[in-house]
Amino acid sequence: GAVVSQHPSRVICKSGTSVKIECRSLDFQATTMFWYRQFPKQSLMLMATSNEGSKATYEQGVEKDKFLINHASLTLSTLTVTSAHPEDSSFYICSAIPLFQGSYEQYFGPGTRLTVT
Amino acid sequence: GQQLNQSPQSMFIQEGEDVSMNCTSSSIFNTWLWYKQDPGEGPVLLIALYKAGELTSNGRLTAQFGITRKDSFLNISASIPSDVGIYFCAGRRGNEKLTFGTGTRLTIIP
Repeated sequence: GAVVSQHPSRVICKSGTSVKIECRSLDFQATTMFWYRQFPKQSLMLMATSNEGSKATYEQGVEKDKFLINHASLTLSTLTVTSAHPEDSSFYICSAIPLFQGSYEQYFGPGTRLTVT
Repeated sequence: GQQLNQSPQSMFIQEGEDVSMNCTSSSIFNTWLWYKQDPGEGPVLLIALYKAGELTSNGRLTAQFGITRKDSFLNISASIPSDVGIYFCAGRRGNEKLTFGTGTRLTIIP
């Protein structure tokens, strides 16, 4: 149980275009999902906290107009990288907290590798 | 954002050896978690610790919640090839977001 999927797993896009990444909780509902970014050989850095039915909370230094987050249902959150630039190339990972759990642990998706050319 | 100090940064060991790594913070956490990340994958939760002094095992893995609540340790006994990967600690206060460690990269030398 508690499986999180991401789509696509890899995407290559041209500079200036937008790309959408989906995060789904497959066997549970989640009111809260998180989006992280990870550069090579570095740790995970939280970008934003996504709450179902409300606006996402962005971490300091993360541009909300560039990284659009939509958490439209209890099983789906999307991250759209708008007007992508090569420096946006990174590994994007989402996580979700199951609604049913008494604990508060995050389950992570497999990640999406974004390459902007 | 803040990161937890994790050491060592990398380890090169032979199969069968035991492994120890730790994570320290300048502030107190109520929860300590240990994750493993394989290349190109998301982190997978290994062990969760909720009480100071708690010692919890998951197979060959054992983790401890430091008594000061500012540190945590992970031990792996009798390492095997599939233990290769990056290990991250993470801390949390209450229901706040997770703060991740800098990671320990484990490599097994043939």
